[in-house]
Amino acid sequence: NAGVTQTPKFRILKIGQSMTLQCTQDMNHNYMYWYRQDPGMGLKLIYYSVGAGITDKGEVPNGYNVSRSTTEDFPLRLELAAPSQTSVYFCASSLTGLYNQPQHFGDGTRLSIL
Amino acid sequence: DAKTTQPTSMDCAEGRAANLPCNHSTISGNEYVYWYRQIHSQGPQYIIHGLKNNETNEMASLIITEDRKSSTLILPHATLRDTAVYYCIVRVAVIGAGGTSYGKLTFGQGTILTVHP
Repeated sequence: NAGVTQTPKFRILKIGQSMTLQCTQDMNHNYMYWYRQDPGMGLKLIYYSVGAGITDKGEVPNGYNVSRSTTEDFPLRLELAAPSQTSVYFCASSLTGLYNQPQHFGDGTRLSIL
Repeated sequence: DAKTTQPTSMDCAEGRAANLPCNHSTISGNEYVYWYRQIHSQGPQYIIHGLKNNETNEMASLIITEDRKSSTLILPHATLRDTAVYYCIVRVAVIGAGGTSYGKLTFGQGTILTVHP
């Protein structure tokens, strides 16, 4: 059972560099989400997608971009990395956005911007 | 958002039941209670959810009071691997900037459960 798979697990970037965090799910879920978790804090939603081709902003979208060309994949793009983006990034998916459909999370990408 | 209140930390002996309480007195009629846990810095792991009836799955049981203002997560036979931060969350519907909606999960401070031998 693969579930939600994130790559890479760790990454160090220099200020101003760009990168793409990959997320793929094999559960045929329609909804996918990107969160960030800063040390000692709760998760903050960056972007989410309700299906292929449809994305929407969450609570903290600035500095990030997303796309959803397939049901399985939901990559997160950092264009100009800044130290404030140092965080652990989690991808999640759910069958629908309804109350009774749980979100399932990947194991995260630990990103440091130096 | 319906706020939840959980104890900061709890201890449990291995093999015994762990009962984790949660207060959510402002919950609305159609909002679900969710429980997740996070082990070290792994991704949050879904445990169970419910609306008003008690629920049980292979991991845990969820007891929701009749007035829905509080709930208890029960791990029937705690093991050392159950040591984690446990989050009680009331999931609310949110409309995004583009007009789509999703069920928001707000992770608070949670309860640090320590299972000891």
